[in-house]
Amino acid sequence: EVQLAESGGGLVKPGGSLRLSCVASGFTFSSYSMNWVRQAPGKGLEWVSSISSGSTYIYYADSVKGRFTISRDNAQNSLHLQMNTLRAEDTAVYYCARCVVGGTMHAFDVWGQGTMVTVSS
Amino acid sequence: QSALTQPPSASGSPGQSVTISCTGTSSDVGGYNYVSWYQQHPGKVPKLMIYEVSKRPSGVPDRFSGSKSGNTASLTVSGLQAEDEADYFCSSYAGSNNLLFGGGTKLTVL
Repeated sequence: EVQLAESGGGLVKPGGSLRLSCVASGFTFSSYSMNWVRQAPGKGLEWVSSISSGSTYIYYADSVKGRFTISRDNAQNSLHLQMNTLRAEDTAVYYCARCVVGGTMHAFDVWGQGTMVTVSS
Repeated sequence: QSALTQPPSASGSPGQSVTISCTGTSSDVGGYNYVSWYQQHPGKVPKLMIYEVSKRPSGVPDRFSGSKSGNTASLTVSGLQAEDEADYFCSSYAGSNNLLFGGGTKLTVL
């Protein structure tokens, strides 16, 4: 079964850091671009970051550029998001999402269950 | 760049058809055939229903269809069923390696 499982969320103070992880199973992880998408409580979806299959191409939303770093380890079938200088507005459920075959960031056909990040003092 | 514009709500009776719009600009919806639609039930994970304007992933009923005209994309749900009641989000590639989502539409089956 194709699955994504996130971990690493939690409560952190403003200005703090957190590292999210996502482990993939059931498909050839190294063949797909991967993304992080977040959803603030009761709000819509927001694309956060994208990384190509071989990590050659990395993109960020303006709202997180310079603060977040996406990375992947194809040997471990894992995706990561290092989040620094966190702000209250970063509070959200963070989803790991697989891009459809041949794409980088335009459509996501597999989603994890999400991990909650709360930034509050 | 601003989020894409969706109506906050839509509704229809069982068996009817309902269309949800997603309005952007020539820099996003109008400029690329990379519009997607997601269904999200309360407390659940988003599910891809339509990608590249009108393509349906395997397993998505053909009651769901997508189209685009100019800067507006649309999702049509035909033969409405109770389980179609959910939030629907559109997204579009917006150039410069950026992806935008709409604010979401709550679909109610009356």
